[in-house]
Amino acid sequence: KQEVTQIPAALSVPEGENLVLNCSFTDSAIYNLQWFRQDPGKGLTSLLLIQSSQREQTSGRLNASLDKSSGRSTLYIAASQPGDSATYLCAVRDSNYQLIWGAGTKLIIKP
Amino acid sequence: EAGVAQSPRYKIIEKRQSVAFWCNPISGHATLYWYQQILGQGPKLLIQFQNNGVVDDSQLPKDRFSAERLKGVDSTLKIQPAKLEDSAVYLCASSLSRDSTYGYTFGSGTRLTVV
Repeated sequence: KQEVTQIPAALSVPEGENLVLNCSFTDSAIYNLQWFRQDPGKGLTSLLLIQSSQREQTSGRLNASLDKSSGRSTLYIAASQPGDSATYLCAVRDSNYQLIWGAGTKLIIKP
Repeated sequence: EAGVAQSPRYKIIEKRQSVAFWCNPISGHATLYWYQQILGQGPKLLIQFQNNGVVDDSQLPKDRFSAERLKGVDSTLKIQPAKLEDSAVYLCASSLSRDSTYGYTFGSGTRLTVV
């Protein structure tokens, strides 16, 4: 059974720092991995989608990597800003086409 | 393209009352999902439709929750009667197809508070 873990559960850093969020999964047989952002009480905004054949995807200050063999993905945020404060969730699409979710990392960027 | 539309955005009801949520997915997306997200947790899949047929409703509390997607486009999720533990954000998402390698697109969600 696929399990997705995100560590840390919460992270607080000063504005301007580069940071890395981690996502690990137990079964490497995945179709893709998606990173989402969620603001308090709101829906989910897709940030990056990495197909199983890809190693990384970039969008602006965000870069997501995927290492299927080790069951890991990282989301790198460059030059963090207070507006980046949110909860970041990763989700893996498994071999049954189901989306398996991590519990998220709550990120706070201090001005 | 227009995103996934959900309404209402917020709803407060008393326990034992009923409530309904509406979702209109992205045009052309055959697969529609309803998720329940309790504060501090990842989303939990309640039901998945492929066109107007149910693919997976294994985690839907069928004694109180129901959902339909009559014409294979928009969908409604109903809770009757509501319990305090139903307080959550209800998210609707769509994708091109069940086995598509494209990602999911989510709506803004409906925040339900049961008092």
